[in-house]
Amino acid sequence: GAVVSQHPSRVICKSGTSVKIECRSLDFQATTMFWYRQFPKQSLMLMATSNEGSKATYEQGVEKDKFLINHASLTLSTLTVTSAHPEDSSFYICSARVASDQPQHFGDGTRLSIL
Amino acid sequence: SQQGEEDPQALSIQEGENATMNCSYKTSINNLQWYRQNSGRGLVHLILIRSNEREKHSGRLRVTLDTSKKSSSLLITASRAADTASYFCATDDGGGFKTIFGAGTRLFVKA
Repeated sequence: GAVVSQHPSRVICKSGTSVKIECRSLDFQATTMFWYRQFPKQSLMLMATSNEGSKATYEQGVEKDKFLINHASLTLSTLTVTSAHPEDSSFYICSARVASDQPQHFGDGTRLSIL
Repeated sequence: SQQGEEDPQALSIQEGENATMNCSYKTSINNLQWYRQNSGRGLVHLILIRSNEREKHSGRLRVTLDTSKKSSSLLITASRAADTASYFCATDDGGGFKTIFGAGTRLFVKA
């Protein structure tokens, strides 16, 4: 149980393109979903926390107009990287959890490469 | 700054040996979690230990928590090559709103 599906797993696109990444909890309802960014050989950097039906809470330094997060249902959250540029290239990972005293369940990540 | 800091940053051992990783954190917590990440993949939850617990076991994994020292350790016994991965500790921010990950320990188990 507790499977989180993240798509796509890899994206390569031109500078200026907008890219949407989906995160779905397949067998549970997630009250909260998280979006992380990870640079090579580094830890996860929390970008934003999203609760179903409400606006995402962005971490300091993360541009909300650049990284649009939508959490339309208890099983789906999306991250859209708008007008992506090479510096946005990274590994993006989503996670979902049922409650604050429960662990997070992670998707397999999306490797985004902007040319 | 990171709430959790692991040491060592990297660890290389022979198959069959035990691997111990440590984590320190700064503020009060409700629970502490350990995760594993294989290269290029998402994280897999290993163990959650609550602030009122001192030790927890799961298979070859043993986690301890010392809230007075604000530290935790993860012990992997009888390591296998397949245990090669990065291991992260993570703590809640006290309010339970988000989880903060440490820098991680990269474990390499040689066959």
